[in-house]
Amino acid sequence: SQQGEEDPQALSIQEGENATMNCSYKTSINNLQWYRQNSGRGLVHLILIRSNEREKHSGRLRVTLDTSKKSSSLLITASRAADTASYFCATGVSSNDYKLSFGAGTTVTVRA
Amino acid sequence: EPEVTQTPSHQVTQMGQEVILRCVPISNHLYFYWYRQILGQKVEFLVSFYNNEISEKSEIFDDQFSVERPDGSNFTLKIRSTKLEDSAMYFCASSVRGGEKLFFGSGTQLSVL
Repeated sequence: SQQGEEDPQALSIQEGENATMNCSYKTSINNLQWYRQNSGRGLVHLILIRSNEREKHSGRLRVTLDTSKKSSSLLITASRAADTASYFCATGVSSNDYKLSFGAGTTVTVRA
Repeated sequence: EPEVTQTPSHQVTQMGQEVILRCVPISNHLYFYWYRQILGQKVEFLVSFYNNEISEKSEIFDDQFSVERPDGSNFTLKIRSTKLEDSAMYFCASSVRGGEKLFFGSGTQLSVL
């Protein structure tokens, strides 16, 4: 089954505002990761949260994980024009399974 | 900072032709992957490779696809007889731990005519 469905599909915000996007998944997971993709480029790993963690921070990024609801959120605080990109969640189902299942992504546009 | 490099950046081929997409993963990484992304769609897993063998493959990765690590640095994806629906951006990735914190290359845009 498909994992990692992001919501919203697109988000437009003013520079300095916060951006929040959500990811839902269907089956139990070992970890959930967020990646960023600038137009036409490869994906860049942002943050990984394990199934036994509830919240994680990295710089201006905050990720939460609610395994009971099978959902995660990514918050980007004090957004900058350089944060304009597509953001994808990806789920790993077990430590012995190296496949990541990606969602369709949220396209974030930060207006100057 | 070390990076995954992919060549070529663009590849145009005729339907039925063989193509080889090349990748140089990060040198101390042990796990290697191929993903693809059709324009505007999800990033799809094709195959993972560890300890000189395929560890997982998706339904997309049928008999027309193969991977090889011919030496200590290169990792290749071969499509034997390309189809129109193989047109996509193909990404190579590598990681230290399996399935975690993947480093992606910039991709090869494959166009099958």
